Amino acid sequence: GQQLNQSPQSMFIQEGEDVSMNCTSSSIFNTWLWYKQDPGEGPVLLIALYKAGELTSNGRLTAQFGITRKDSFLNISASIPSDVGIYFCAGQPLNSGGSNYKLTFGKGTLLTVNP
Amino acid sequence: EPEVTQTPSHQVTQMGQEVILRCVPISNHLYFYWYRQILGQKVEFLVSFYNNEISEKSEIFDDQFSVERPDGSNFTLKIRSTKLEDSAMYFCATKTGGYSYEQYFGPGTRLTVT
Repeated sequence: GQQLNQSPQSMFIQEGEDVSMNCTSSSIFNTWLWYKQDPGEGPVLLIALYKAGELTSNGRLTAQFGITRKDSFLNISASIPSDVGIYFCAGQPLNSGGSNYKLTFGKGTLLTVNP
Repeated sequence: EPEVTQTPSHQVTQMGQEVILRCVPISNHLYFYWYRQILGQKVEFLVSFYNNEISEKSEIFDDQFSVERPDGSNFTLKIRSTKLEDSAMYFCATKTGGYSYEQYFGPGTRLTVT
């Protein structure tokens, strides 16, 4: 199946710092989504991107759909302790076929924020 | 705000037993999904369900798995004869109709097979 490479695997930052993480693929994607997962809970949708070059914000979060359609990044500004969690990128490859809108997920970036 | 709900939150079962995991989708959503997440790993697609039938299933979704929406509200995943390797978090996700990839996930059911 399609592979999404997320980096870094984990990050340890101080409260107030900005964070950047990204997701890359060898395939072109129709869409990129970013989710956050807290321990023992389900993924929560943060941002959805649909067009190459699109830059979208949700509060302190900003995400971009790469021009090549093979990557996306997520930035978090002025981090706070509740930003702790695993951030997953997800999307559907252009050539996956079908119209069921299934998502392929990356392996996640574990973010730890020290107060 | 409408949410996807799942029951039970945790299910412990013995190998070979049948389990049924339940999901109540957001009310106006039309597409339904089950995903699996083995501890510490990524979320993996199992099956998609639209218009009362399976629209796609992954290699993981073998003959031991089935889904149905018996009463127009609950969406269930049945594992007929559980194996140790079925131990994982199982997430239900739903989305609206139309061109949208925005899936909303439930809190998950932790399945432990002993």
